Amino acid sequence: NAGVTQTPKFQVLKTGQSMTLQCAQDMNHEYMSWYRQDPGMGLRLIHYSVGAGITDQGEVPNGYNVSRSTTEDFPLRLLSAAPSQTSVYFCASSFRRNTEAFFGQGTRLTVV
Amino acid sequence: AQSVTQLGSHVSVSEGALVLLRCNYSSSVPPYLFWYVQYPNQGLQLLLKYTTGATLVKGINGFEAEFKKSETSFHLTKPSAHMSDAAEYFCAVIPPARGYSTLTFGKGTMLLVSP
Repeated sequence: NAGVTQTPKFQVLKTGQSMTLQCAQDMNHEYMSWYRQDPGMGLRLIHYSVGAGITDQGEVPNGYNVSRSTTEDFPLRLLSAAPSQTSVYFCASSFRRNTEAFFGQGTRLTVV
Repeated sequence: AQSVTQLGSHVSVSEGALVLLRCNYSSSVPPYLFWYVQYPNQGLQLLLKYTTGATLVKGINGFEAEFKKSETSFHLTKPSAHMSDAAEYFCAVIPPARGYSTLTFGKGTMLLVSP
């Protein structure tokens, strides 16, 4: 089992560029989330989904878009990258509510 | 108010010493409590969790945590630190917001282990 797979692992973007961070899980989990990790801030929720076709905003959604057309995939789109979006991004999935989340290995994004 | 608070951004111990990482949670969240570990340049790995039942929870790598409702605490301990325990540790809860579907994390505690 691959678990939660994120691609790419590293990315450098120029200010204003757009890109999509990919996330796929093979555990048939209904719940998926995107977090960003910044030094001293812990992990902060960007967007989440409780099933295919259902997404909602987290704590820090500005500048990001998501969609969930299948149970397996939950891509995160940066619409117009800004240096403030330099961070490590983690995708997570969980089987149902009130259960632990399983994390991908992360994408380290630098915006110059 | 913060749902979860970790005391100390850095904790230093000597190899073989007791490890104690502190976590307090808001009484307004239900007691679904988790500790995760993150090794350098890796994702988060679940160490242990409390949902119901026995208040002393054992996890991987010799770690354990005790749920104390009266103190709203879920501190992580290990009797004897190893060099391989050096990592960042995160306490997490599941708040009622968003239908109990996402985790809220503390800011993390970096554990440094010296020989």
